[in-house]
Amino acid sequence: GAVVSQHPSWVICKSGTSVKIECRSLDFQATTMFWYRQFPKQSLMLMATSNEGSKATYEQGVEKDKFLINHASLTLSTLTVTSAHPEDSSFYICSATRGSGKTQYFGPGTRLLVL
Amino acid sequence: GNSVTQMEGPVTLSEEAFLTINCTYTATGYPSLFWYVQYPGEGLQLLLKATKADDKGSNKGFEATYRKETTSFHLEKGSVQVSDSAVYFCALTRPINDYKLSFGAGTTVTVRA
Repeated sequence: GAVVSQHPSWVICKSGTSVKIECRSLDFQATTMFWYRQFPKQSLMLMATSNEGSKATYEQGVEKDKFLINHASLTLSTLTVTSAHPEDSSFYICSATRGSGKTQYFGPGTRLLVL
Repeated sequence: GNSVTQMEGPVTLSEEAFLTINCTYTATGYPSLFWYVQYPGEGLQLLLKATKADDKGSNKGFEATYRKETTSFHLEKGSVQVSDSAVYFCALTRPINDYKLSFGAGTTVTVRA
């Protein structure tokens, strides 16, 4: 158990459009969900932490109006990249914790390419 | 701040070869240390962890020892298999923020039959 899915797995969009990425915990209720970003050959960088029904906590340097996070239920969090630009092209990965545990279960990632 | 440095890949090995992936860290206090693995098309999975100095984490034939004196947590496996082909990430959490992971850049390992 503890499977996390992401949809879509990859997306190509035009500059200026918005893109929504979904993260779902398939077989458990996620206490907390995390969103990471990874550039080629670089580390995963934590973008934000979200708990169901409350506002996300963004890491320093991450624009909350640019990367909208909605954690509407215990099994779903969404990341919307608003007015995407080529520099937003990246690999976005979500993770979730279960219950009071600290172990993070990761999704397979979503590759975004903005043209 | 916290940071993790791991050896750059890619690493290509033959089956049954010995694998070492170096990982060093910078952190104040006593972080917990992790190795995550990402198989093709899948999410990151926790491979092993160590929470205090001299602890050894082990799983699936992989081992890593928390060395405070050298601030290292090198991953080793004595005899790799093709199924070990994956990307390996070293990571840490600080005790005060024990859910926030700081990752290394990842090392791609390819094992050839």
